Amino acid sequence: EVQLVESGGDLVQPGGSLRLSCAASGFTFSNYDMNWVRQAPGKGLELVSYISVTTGGTYYADSVKGRFTISRDNAKNSLYLQMNSLRDEDTAVYYCALTIAAGGAIRNGMDVWGQGTTVTVSS
Amino acid sequence: DVVMTQSPLSLPVTLGQPASISCRSSQGLVYSDGNTYLSWFQQRPGQSPRRLIYKVSNRDSGVPDRFSGSGSGTDFTLKISRVEAEDVGVYYCMQGTHWPPYTFGQGTKLEIK
Repeated sequence: EVQLVESGGDLVQPGGSLRLSCAASGFTFSNYDMNWVRQAPGKGLELVSYISVTTGGTYYADSVKGRFTISRDNAKNSLYLQMNSLRDEDTAVYYCALTIAAGGAIRNGMDVWGQGTTVTVSS
Repeated sequence: DVVMTQSPLSLPVTLGQPASISCRSSQGLVYSDGNTYLSWFQQRPGQSPRRLIYKVSNRDSGVPDRFSGSGSGTDFTLKISRVEAEDVGVYYCMQGTHWPPYTFGQGTKLEIK
């Protein structure tokens, strides 16, 4: 069974740091691009970051650029998001997600999602 | 970034009746390969998002055939032929044509009347 399990969410003060992890299983992790998507309380979905498996290229939303870093460890089947200089507006559920079905065409959007991990930034 | 605008934002529906959600993009969504990368997601209360439809009208595995997608260019529609109780949740459209990034609509909350 294809599965993604996020961890690392916590309550943190503004200016603090957190590292989120996503453990993948049930598929060949090293073959797929990966994403972090977040959802602020009562709000919609926002792509936070993306990492390519082939080029190592990354994408960051303007709102997190320079503060967040995405990385992966294919040997450990894991995806990470290092979050520094956290702000109140980073409070959200963070999902890792990927596209597997339909040939893994990333433009189709993510068809596999984790259960999410909650980050709360507050003093 | 491409802006996706959904309507209505709230959709009360009687069980067994049809429902329709509109999604409009600020730019055309035909990609250079000829495909239109417009997807629909469902998020039930307390759950992670689930993709229902990709490339405008292709249902994902396990998605009931009461869900259908249509549209072209900048205007797209998700239809539910007969709403069931399990359909309650928020529905999002998403474009992947002008990726990165994916951009999502604001969401439409479907509830039972």
